[in-house]
Amino acid sequence: SAVISQKPSRDICQRGTSLTIQCQVDSQVTMMFWYRQQPGQSLTLIATANQGSEATYESGFVIDKFPISRPNLTFSTLTVSNMSPEDSSIYLCSVATLRADTQYFGPGTRLTVL
Amino acid sequence: QKEVEQDPGPLSVPEGAIVSLNCTYSNSAFQYFMWYRQYSRKGPELLMYTYSSGNKEDGRFTAQVDKSSKYISLFIRDSQPSDSATYLCAMSPTGNQFYFGTGTSLTVIP
Repeated sequence: SAVISQKPSRDICQRGTSLTIQCQVDSQVTMMFWYRQQPGQSLTLIATANQGSEATYESGFVIDKFPISRPNLTFSTLTVSNMSPEDSSIYLCSVATLRADTQYFGPGTRLTVL
Repeated sequence: QKEVEQDPGPLSVPEGAIVSLNCTYSNSAFQYFMWYRQYSRKGPELLMYTYSSGNKEDGRFTAQVDKSSKYISLFIRDSQPSDSATYLCAMSPTGNQFYFGTGTSLTVIP
């Protein structure tokens, strides 16, 4: 398994501002993902963070709104840009095992946008 | 039709009861099946992992996969108040794409 930490654990932000969420893993992993989980909803994949190249975004998510960096195999950031109240959600970082047959999740970042 | 269907509940049972949580799916290519437990205000925690069909047991938890019916289950024996959480099923065809259920909220009443 992998131990994943996220910062911040929660934040309250004003409309129009941006927040960068950090994800740190205790071992080198190939695949890292960013998810959003809104109240009462399932996990929605935002993007796959690729080391050394641009992230792969899912339908409905764009780089201008959710820029992602992955400078190495243990660290990634997700920025939520120009926030609106609709961006209030839990943002989760996850990593896949080497065999890519399961995922482990970080503790999440609870974001509230006023 | 969603790839993965899961009854959201909520499910409320007395302590000591046997709990059955279920998911159905439509994609016959799914081979990897997972159950996650998510406590309030926490990230999902991997509980059980199964490859292909069959049963897997871990303590009070049993995961069951029936690929012919496209149906997976998680059984919790002797349920405890500490089992109160949301349970998410997840599955994957190859490991590069993961599909999650919406989660079932479980409350075990002392």
